[in-house]
Amino acid sequence: GQQLNQSPQSMFIQEGEDVSMNCTSSSIFNTWLWYKQEPGEGPVLLIALYKAGELTSNGRLTAQFGITRKDSFLNISASIPSDVGIYFCAGPSNTGNQFYFGTGTSLTVIP
Amino acid sequence: DAGVTQSPTHLIKTRGQHVTLRCSPISGHKSVSWYQQVLGQGPQFIFQYYEKEERGRGNFPDRFSARQFPNYSSELNVNALLLGDSALYLCASSLKVFRTRDYEQFFGPGTRLTVL
Repeated sequence: GQQLNQSPQSMFIQEGEDVSMNCTSSSIFNTWLWYKQEPGEGPVLLIALYKAGELTSNGRLTAQFGITRKDSFLNISASIPSDVGIYFCAGPSNTGNQFYFGTGTSLTVIP
Repeated sequence: DAGVTQSPTHLIKTRGQHVTLRCSPISGHKSVSWYQQVLGQGPQFIFQYYEKEERGRGNFPDRFSARQFPNYSSELNVNALLLGDSALYLCASSLKVFRTRDYEQFFGPGTRLTVL
């Protein structure tokens, strides 16, 4: 199956700093999604991207759909303690009968 | 409105046993998907059901099976449990299947299965 690799694997940052993470695939994706998962909960959708080159914001979060369609990026500006969690990229297969999650980036924000 | 609910919350089984996990989707959602999340990894897709029919299947052995009922709730069954089946099992509901734009998935809190 398709592999979605995320980097970095983990991040420890000071409150107020900006965060950047990315996700790469060995295959083309037509949709990129970014989720956040907190302990004891299921993933929650943050941003959805549907077109190559698309840049979409949701508050302090901005995500981009790479023009090669094999990567995506998520930026968080002015991080706050509640940003702590694991961030996953994800997307459906081109046939629409599979769904893939990335390996995850764990974010810790130090007050 | 209630979100996606899953039962039980936690479960302990021994190798070789069988387990049934249950999921109730958000009212009005006709699609349910199941995922296995091993500690420290991203969720792995197991099944998607829509209108009681299987619409997608991940790379899992035949020991894993599922079904969807007329009220759109779903069960995931795992036979002949192995130690490696220990994981958080997540259920997600959506209006439609992955091929459409209305497939935003809403996840339940999961069932934590421990196999001893």
